[in-house]
Amino acid sequence: GAVVSQHPSRVICKSGTSVKIECRSLDFQATTMFWYRQFPKQSLMLMATSNEGSKATYEQGVEKDKFLINHASLTLSTLTVTSAHPEDSSFYICSARAAGSNQPQHFGDGTRLSIL
Amino acid sequence: RKEVEQDPGPFNVPEGATVAFNCTYSNSASQSFFWYRQDCRKEPKLLMSVYSSGNEDGRFTAQLNRASQYISLLIRDSKLSDSATYLCVVNQAGTALIFGKGTTLSVSS
Repeated sequence: GAVVSQHPSRVICKSGTSVKIECRSLDFQATTMFWYRQFPKQSLMLMATSNEGSKATYEQGVEKDKFLINHASLTLSTLTVTSAHPEDSSFYICSARAAGSNQPQHFGDGTRLSIL
Repeated sequence: RKEVEQDPGPFNVPEGATVAFNCTYSNSASQSFFWYRQDCRKEPKLLMSVYSSGNEDGRFTAQLNRASQYISLLIRDSKLSDSATYLCVVNQAGTALIFGKGTTLSVSS
């Protein structure tokens, strides 16, 4: 089946550091990638939607200058948390979907980010 | 009002029990419906899609009532390995999946 690889799986770093998370579709072309965030005991919340070659569309309340998303190719999207602070500590999960509105979303394994 | 609402639980049941989860969604334009399972803050994994006619997969039965915007999941003969958080998920064609907060199930021996 389709596989999405997300890296790294775990990040621990100091406040003020910028952290980049990669999301790759391994066996299909992901025209659309989604980034979600999940705080403890909360639902997965959509942060942004990115289409290959276009600027990402951010959900209300998500700062685009803080969460930089790049989707430069059909197999790779990156999320950079700039100048991360403890309140950014969360579980970040990407998902990817091939062309076609009825295509399923395939999820990465997630990245657990801890900012000290 | 949240787009997808679920009873968070936890549901604590013994092995062999039957347990039912409910979910309501607010967007009447929603077209696709799913139940996902999430273990220990890992990525969510698709358990089953939900159709208006109802569908069954082994011990799991899902139902959808579009008129009342209500989705259910029934688990029969619960196993220890069923312990997880069950996420109710909806979406419209072409948009991202919208997740409920999840219902936690704990099955004990």
